[in-house]
Amino acid sequence: GNSVTQMEGPVTLSEEAFLTINCTYTATGYPSLFWYVQYPGEGLQLLLKATKADDKGSNKGFEATYRKETTSFHLEKGSVQVSDSAVYFCALRNTGGFKTIFGAGTRLFVKA
Amino acid sequence: DTGVSQDPRHKITKRGQNVTFRCDPISEHNRLYWYRQTLGQGPEFLTYFQNEAQLEKSRLLSDRFSAERPKGSFSTLEIQRTEQGDSAMYLCASSFGDGRNQPQHFGDGTRLSIL
Repeated sequence: GNSVTQMEGPVTLSEEAFLTINCTYTATGYPSLFWYVQYPGEGLQLLLKATKADDKGSNKGFEATYRKETTSFHLEKGSVQVSDSAVYFCALRNTGGFKTIFGAGTRLFVKA
Repeated sequence: DTGVSQDPRHKITKRGQNVTFRCDPISEHNRLYWYRQTLGQGPEFLTYFQNEAQLEKSRLLSDRFSAERPKGSFSTLEIQRTEQGDSAMYLCASSFGDGRNQPQHFGDGTRLSIL
């Protein structure tokens, strides 16, 4: 079946540090991959997506590359800000699928 | 704001009561989804509508749960005889089409607390 595994949090960083949140997936077919962000008390917002192997999704300084050979979609940002503190979810949708499969989420704390 | 709208934002009720939540999707989106999110977990799929037709229901959706989308626009999710285990965030999402490239856009959710 389809599944997503993320690194456990929380991740605590100082402002301007480099961020990596690891995500690996299991899927049959050719899924699209997504990162969503959830701020406290809010729903999920789409952060970025990639639809095929070697695609790089990017938004607001975050980026992730679809690596089919390692079945990974790690999220990176070169310099985090306090305002990036949130929970980040890696997710996939597979060919012919109507539902999004989510990882358990990784909480990020950024200290000033 | 033209995003997905959910009402209410918070609902506190006693065990055994019935509750109903509403979701208004993005207007041009014909697909609508309900998910449940418990503390520390990612959202889990509950059910899916294409226009007014309910096409799929998860095994998580027990007989006490029912969802409708009467005119292919807004949707309601009702939980009858609520139990402690129903406490969660209920998220609604919508998309235009259900191809794998179509991201689902989420509302802010309804947080349900069962006393």
